[in-house]
Amino acid sequence: GAGVSQSPSNKVTEKGKDVELRCDPISGHTALYWYRQSLGQGLEFLIYFQGNSAPDKSGLPSDRFSAERTGGSVSTLTIQRTQQEDSAVYLCASSLARGLAGPPDTQYFGPGTRLTVL
Amino acid sequence: AQKVTQAQTEISVVEKEDVTLDCVYETRDTTYYLFWYKQPPSGELVFLIRRNSFDEQNEISGRYSWNFQKSTSSFNFTITASQVVDSAVYFCALSEAWGSQGNLIFGKGTKLSVKP
Repeated sequence: GAGVSQSPSNKVTEKGKDVELRCDPISGHTALYWYRQSLGQGLEFLIYFQGNSAPDKSGLPSDRFSAERTGGSVSTLTIQRTQQEDSAVYLCASSLARGLAGPPDTQYFGPGTRLTVL
Repeated sequence: AQKVTQAQTEISVVEKEDVTLDCVYETRDTTYYLFWYKQPPSGELVFLIRRNSFDEQNEISGRYSWNFQKSTSSFNFTITASQVVDSAVYFCALSEAWGSQGNLIFGKGTKLSVKP
């Protein structure tokens, strides 16, 4: 079946502009994760959705970052007023299920969106 | 706090050599999960293995094998008879089992180059 898809694959933007990154999880996966990969910070967790709900947004780097998920499927990560330090690869992953009282299922990753802020 | 350490930043071997990638983790939880992912030059993270803290049996899958030792908090990965296609960055990761968001805590990765 189809894996996790992300769009766009590459995004170049100017400092101060807003960007939207999209993630389509594997069909039937209720848990969705966003991560960021940069040279300096490695792979860091941003936010998790169980269904449409994100119980904890403290992993987002600043209040310029927001994320939503609709219909228990597609998720959008929005970065407002982009800064050069936002340049990174943004990775999305999905897993079958994840309740707060259950073990973590295997996460399957998309190809990522490479964001470059000039 | 949870932490994963991959002390080897880069390893270079010649094809057909065996190579072991080290992973040491820290956690206060008694129940946790460990993972290995491969990131080839194309960039997509590919899942290799998931192991829970109660299962210390070593696992073999083709040329890949994993050695999990709770006593030393290590989860090492060995590739036997390496091939050029094994060239990639390999990440070890840790996740709590209960009461968390299930997010992965990654090590910094080990870049493996296999030369013909």
